[in-house]
Amino acid sequence: GENVEQHPSTLSVQEGDSAVIKCTYSDSASNYFPWYKQELGKRPQLIIDIRSNVGEKKDQRIAVTLNKTAKHFSLHITETQPEDSAVYFCAASKSFKTIFGAGTRLFVKA
Amino acid sequence: NAGVTQTPKFQVLKTGQSMTLQCAQDMNHEYMSWYRQDPGMGLRLIHYSVGAGITDQGEVPNGYNVSRSTTEDFPLRLLSAAPSQTSVYFCASSYSWRQGSGELFFGEGSRLTVL
Repeated sequence: GENVEQHPSTLSVQEGDSAVIKCTYSDSASNYFPWYKQELGKRPQLIIDIRSNVGEKKDQRIAVTLNKTAKHFSLHITETQPEDSAVYFCAASKSFKTIFGAGTRLFVKA
Repeated sequence: NAGVTQTPKFQVLKTGQSMTLQCAQDMNHEYMSWYRQDPGMGLRLIHYSVGAGITDQGEVPNGYNVSRSTTEDFPLRLLSAAPSQTSVYFCASSYSWRQGSGELFFGEGSRLTVL
């Protein structure tokens, strides 16, 4: 089955710096790659997603890139702010199964 | 719309007891699923359903049962609770899997402790 690996597990950046989180997946048939943000004690919420027919997608300070050949995708957050501090999960999905990575805890220091 | 509603929010069980976590959605979503979240392990898929009467196993199905008699409800049953099932459980739904996967809408979570 699908396996998703996510790195790093913890990331600490200074406010205003960029943050990059990387994921790899194993099933080449996966065609949907969402990213979720989970604040402490809250439910995960979608922040951006990308489908396999697209190489890059941007939404304000957040961007995601996908390399299908290498089977990896990345989340880029620019101009980080303290409210970006949270746990971020990548996921890979095929048809009706979404498999998550282990998560990255992002700390943004003011 | 209430979205995805889970009950109870907290539960303490003794080893061997049974219980059901309830999940209901009012968005007419076809797809529903259950995940468990443990520290350092992300969200692991337990069971999922693509419509009423249809269920299938995810990554970690052992010790859990599900059924889907209506579009709105997707209960998760623990038949004989074990300490290894101590976790936070999330129910999630999605509008349509027929066009490919889409955004998952999560409930608030249910924190289960098995002593």
